[in-house]
Amino acid sequence: NAGVTQTPKFQVLKTGQSMTLQCAQDMNHEYMSWYRQDPGMGLRLIHYSVGAGITDQGEVPNGYNVSRSTTEDFPLRLLSAAPSQTSVYFCASSYSAQAYNSPLHFGNGTRLTVT
Amino acid sequence: KNEVEQSPQNLTAQEGEFITINCSYSVGISALHWLQQHPGGGIVSLFMLSSGKKKHGRLIATINIQEKHSSLHITASHPRDSAVYICEAGTASKLTFGTGTRLQVTL
Repeated sequence: NAGVTQTPKFQVLKTGQSMTLQCAQDMNHEYMSWYRQDPGMGLRLIHYSVGAGITDQGEVPNGYNVSRSTTEDFPLRLLSAAPSQTSVYFCASSYSAQAYNSPLHFGNGTRLTVT
Repeated sequence: KNEVEQSPQNLTAQEGEFITINCSYSVGISALHWLQQHPGGGIVSLFMLSSGKKKHGRLIATINIQEKHSSLHITASHPRDSAVYICEAGTASKLTFGTGTRLQVTL
């Protein structure tokens, strides 16, 4: 099993550009989520999904869109990049739809810089 | 005040020392997780606790539900334990993460 595969590893965007961060898991996990990690702050939830066709907003959803058309894939779209979106992004999945109930499996992260 | 507070923020230890990292939370939780973030950035789950104590190799995690406190202990620390350790408090509605404790173990 590959686990959680997240691409790209690094990305530089200009303000106003759009892009999609890819996330795929091969563990048949119900729960998938996107976090951003900024210096001095804990991981913050952007969006999450408890199953195919179901998505919901997290703590910091503005400027980001997600979709979950299959159990395996959960892409994160930046609609119009802003410097405030410079961060490290992590995708994570969990077996249980109640995410507290089983360990999170993380992708390797994407370091995004918006200039 | 953050819902999850970790201490210390930074910790330097010599190889072989016993290490304790603390996590206090203010919400009622269903489970608490300890994560390890490697210097390269990858994050792995170490423990999931809802009560008592768990042990895996040189790592021990404890939780006191009444006091809303958890500790992660590392016995006989080694330079490969150098990482950021993150506490994650899970409720039925959300997960909240501490800001992490950066551990550096030197020879």
